[in-house]
Amino acid sequence: DTAVSQTPKYLVTQMGNDKSIKCEQNLGHDTMYWYKQDSKKFLKIMFSYNNKELIINETVPNRFSPKSPDKAHLNLHINSLELGDSAVYFCASSQGAAETQYFGPGTRLLVL
Amino acid sequence: AQTVTQSQPEMSVQEAETVTLSCTYDTSESDYYLFWYKQPPSRQMILVIRQEAYKQQNATENRFSVNFQKAAKSFSLKISDSQLGDAAMYFCAYRTYSGGGADGLTFGKGTHLIIQP
Repeated sequence: DTAVSQTPKYLVTQMGNDKSIKCEQNLGHDTMYWYKQDSKKFLKIMFSYNNKELIINETVPNRFSPKSPDKAHLNLHINSLELGDSAVYFCASSQGAAETQYFGPGTRLLVL
Repeated sequence: AQTVTQSQPEMSVQEAETVTLSCTYDTSESDYYLFWYKQPPSRQMILVIRQEAYKQQNATENRFSVNFQKAAKSFSLKISDSQLGDAAMYFCAYRTYSGGGADGLTFGKGTHLIIQP
């Protein structure tokens, strides 16, 4: 009965590869997010998405793209992975823009 | 753009004592939300407490309470009767009141809280 789930939990891959991280929420929320936590534990918003708009943090490279097949899912696709992409990626969801965000367990990505 | 500052990279407290983690923020908005999240070694992000800026009353959740000073743009977290399970990174976060848009949280850099037995 996990509220926000992510797969995989760990991902090790080679530079230049393309990978995806899946996120699913069973809370019935209408807004989902992706955050990146770097090696210094700093968390930064990457994307926010609801059925009205996608907000992209301007610092996110266009190699990153969110894809939402339905309201319960927001997957993260990363093309041409670079060493600097190594981080923990968190998915989150909320009911509406003003409500509390609930986070998934995170996906640790290591690019070699 | 909003910024959130946590000036204490690390804090240490004896078990059963009280500790206060500080957070300041910068914004030109009048309506917004503030949060404290806890991240234990399991790396799960757990909501500790939430405060709406329009509410003057400080939020409390059991042993956790905040001191919200809107004019000073300060939002500190007090943990009473500290327990070993409170050991974690604590993040202060800000969220604009966007009235329908999908805005993310702006986080501070975190405070690592150590509980001494």
